[in-house]
Amino acid sequence: DTGVSQNPRHKITKRGQNVTFRCDPISEHNRLYWYRQTLGQGPEFLTYFQNEAQLEKSRLLSDRFSAERPKGSFSTLEIQRTEQGDSAMYLCASTIQADLNTEAFFGQGTRLTVV
Amino acid sequence: AQSVTQLDSHVSVSEGTPVLLRCNYSSSYSPSLFWYVQHPNKGLQLLLKYTSAATLVKGINGFEAEFKKSETSFHLTKPSAHMSDAAEYFCVVSDQAEYGNKLVFGAGTILRVKS
Repeated sequence: DTGVSQNPRHKITKRGQNVTFRCDPISEHNRLYWYRQTLGQGPEFLTYFQNEAQLEKSRLLSDRFSAERPKGSFSTLEIQRTEQGDSAMYLCASTIQADLNTEAFFGQGTRLTVV
Repeated sequence: AQSVTQLDSHVSVSEGTPVLLRCNYSSSYSPSLFWYVQHPNKGLQLLLKYTSAATLVKGINGFEAEFKKSETSFHLTKPSAHMSDAAEYFCVVSDQAEYGNKLVFGAGTILRVKS
């Protein structure tokens, strides 16, 4: 296991289509985060899971966004009816403990372009 | 108010000269502070972290940062820049009491190193 893996790395979709991204965290990491990064900005928190439970969602996460983490392993982030404003880099991170002082390991991200 | 303010969006230095990337944070409690680096097409990597131990923190690749509570600052420094240091750097704060269970990122500083 070499780190957090995200797929696909790039996704181009037409406005109105649905897209789904996958994140495979480091094995046995029980906390998983999703962040969104737009050009010129730092990553913004979207949501996080403790094992399979989704414990917090940002107000950035509209009703068109849904995330799951079945069985507390990999996670998916789905965006329905995509809009041009959804174009961004979507980052996943995982950490082994509930302590925020523990290093969070980030994947390389999925870059979404909505045309 | 911004949770994390990186005072310079771009910094340009010559190879072999010192690097200073400035960061101010907003936290009423006892924050943990981090610096992450993002190279093109690579995931975010932790450079160093402050978690209420020594105020001068040493990280990887010769970087260090000093936590100054009176100034609410956590500036990143390196005595001598190397070409490989060219990347985007993010100052990050975590404070469970104030921000919940998430990392809060600054907008980033792009470091350019000239030969």
